[in-house]
Amino acid sequence: SQELEQSPQSLIVQEGKNLTINCTSSKTLYGLYWYKQKYGEGLIFLMMLQKGGEEKSHEKITAKLDEKKQQSSLHITASQPSHAGIYLCGADMGSGGSNYKLTFGKGTLLTVNP
Amino acid sequence: DADVTQTPRNRITKTGKRIMLECSQTKGHDRMYWYRQDPGLGLRLIYYSFDVKDINKGEISDGYSVSRQAQAKFSLSLESAIPNQTALYFCATSGGLLAGLDEQFFGPGTRLTVL
Repeated sequence: SQELEQSPQSLIVQEGKNLTINCTSSKTLYGLYWYKQKYGEGLIFLMMLQKGGEEKSHEKITAKLDEKKQQSSLHITASQPSHAGIYLCGADMGSGGSNYKLTFGKGTLLTVNP
Repeated sequence: DADVTQTPRNRITKTGKRIMLECSQTKGHDRMYWYRQDPGLGLRLIYYSFDVKDINKGEISDGYSVSRQAQAKFSLSLESAIPNQTALYFCATSGGLLAGLDEQFFGPGTRLTVL
């Protein structure tokens, strides 16, 4: 079974609209990472969350990690075509602490229509 | 120059051929990883190495082997390529010193097609 579930699998929004992508685990996460990937290209690091309740923002993208450290959300405000791509969450799922390996969700494909 | 480079960027090969994908990094990181990405399946870990003498299998290592020639170089080999190894392959590095702070830096990927 997939240890990290991302939802939705794909999302089409009109430019200017807000959207949210979720990443859920049944296990405690010892570090949650959000990456963006342009189709067929490498992954670009967006943000890392470590503490329960933590929230970080970069430009129009905000990521949160819930108090239990089992779910994270990525929120984009006033989406633009430049936000289009695949968003992946990755997490260190080591029991008792970091094991320096990331498990990734399957990704969310975001399309932003002008 | 890119911190993590992969060669080749694209490769088409035939079933049964041996092929090597190479990864080099200038970040000075000890930890290096190989992933493959398939549509609908996300990124899956093939092999990882925490230093030159430490190599570990990931979740899908069958049909693959690796070599850590130096701290900066980590190669992935397909001894006898098969069509279901057609995928986008990524190399990544990390070097966080503190538990939980382990951002991975990815190369641009190698698109491999096995006919």
